[in-house]
Parts: sequence; structure tokens; C-alpha cells
Amino acid sequence: ETGVTQTPRHLVMGMTNKKSLKCEQHLGHNAMYWYKQSAKKPLELMFVYNFKEQTENNSVPSRFSPECPNSSHLFLHLHTLQPEDSALYLCASSQVGGGAYNEQFFGPGTRLTVL
Amino acid sequence: AQSVTQLGSHVSVSEGALVLLRCNYSSSVPPYLFWYVQYPNQGLQLLLKYTTGATLVKGINGFEAEFKKSETSFHLTKPSAHMSDAAEYFCAVSDFNDYKLSFGAGTTVTVRA
Repeated sequence: ETGVTQTPRHLVMGMTNKKSLKCEQHLGHNAMYWYKQSAKKPLELMFVYNFKEQTENNSVPSRFSPECPNSSHLFLHLHTLQPEDSALYLCASSQVGGGAYNEQFFGPGTRLTVL
Repeated sequence: AQSVTQLGSHVSVSEGALVLLRCNYSSSVPPYLFWYVQYPNQGLQLLLKYTTGATLVKGINGFEAEFKKSETSFHLTKPSAHMSDAAEYFCAVSDFNDYKLSFGAGTTVTVRA
């Protein structure tokens, strides 16, 4: 595997289900991000992890719970979601510091549909 | 925090015509600038970036962009559009001391045969 991978690519869940999205980066980066992309809306930054520590939570509802066990893996745990949470969820990674230029590399996304 | 404005949410061009996508940012110091492309149901792919040095930057798929500090702009161009250029394009910016990116709202490009 190369780059940033995300699983599953598609997910349909009911409002009472619990599911998790997985992201893995194979680039040796030290920062990882979750974004939400809804139709006709700008890209929304949800969470940022830098060296496994959460450094940003942009007022995301508690029904979204991130987890970063190491610098290569990032999870987004989902529970009791609402239909308006249906969107494309994108994971990205970047190298922070050491002369890096903040370029982010994105995974293919998980298309989430909440029924 | 930086803000990014992409003029025009939708651009339609004929195959073979010039593609011009506009991006302006707010910053008092030169930032790092990026253009990303997103094809349907895919993630964002980096087209090109400006960090330092030459202000005309060449990217993949024949695209280029010019950093103009006096105009706080980073417009994206391609001399001759191809059908495969139909996608959504995002301009993004970051300060050199803030690793987060600020994205524009995106411009959807359609290419007419």
C-alpha cells in the first residue's frame, strides 16, 4: 500500500448503529486530519492530530469520536448519527516541522450514508 | 487565520480552450499556496504548490499557476482543456508557521466537446 488509504470506501448505517472509519498513511508523516465534505459546502476540518496528540477539534458533535493510536493510523468512531451527517469523509496526512511545506496528502474518502 | 476566495463556483470551457481558475488569499506575508483537484468520488490530489522561489509554478497534467504577491493571487491556468480535466478544483493556503490548510470553496470545471 502507498499513500493514504481509507476503509471502508462506502458505508450505509442506521441512526442507532455504531461504526468506525479507518485511515492509514504509509508516508511517514507526523500529522493526520479528518475532513467532512458535504454536497455544495466547503471542506470542513474536523480533527487534527500532531504526533498522536489531538490539537484541534472544530466544534464537532460528540457522536463523532476520533482515535489516533499511532502516527500512522487514525480512526473515526461513529454512533447515533443523523441523516445530515451523510457526506464524504476524507483523511489526510502531512509532515509538520523540519522544513516541511504543509502539503497534505489525501485518502480516497469514505462515502457515508445515514438512513 | 487565512481566508481563500475562489471566484466562480462553476466554470465551463470548450475542449481545447484556455482554463483559468481564480484564487485570492488574505495574508500580509507570503504563504504556502496549493491547488488540488478532486475527481468524482475520490480524494483530493495535489496539482501544484508554491513555497518559495520562482513565482510561476508548473504542475501535473499541464497546469501551471503564478503567485502574484501584489495582487495576493494564485490563479491556475491550462492552455488547452481536455475532457479529462472535468473535476472540482480547490485552492488552499497555509502560513509557514501553521501547518493547517485553509481551503477555498472549490470551482467545478466542465469541458464541452
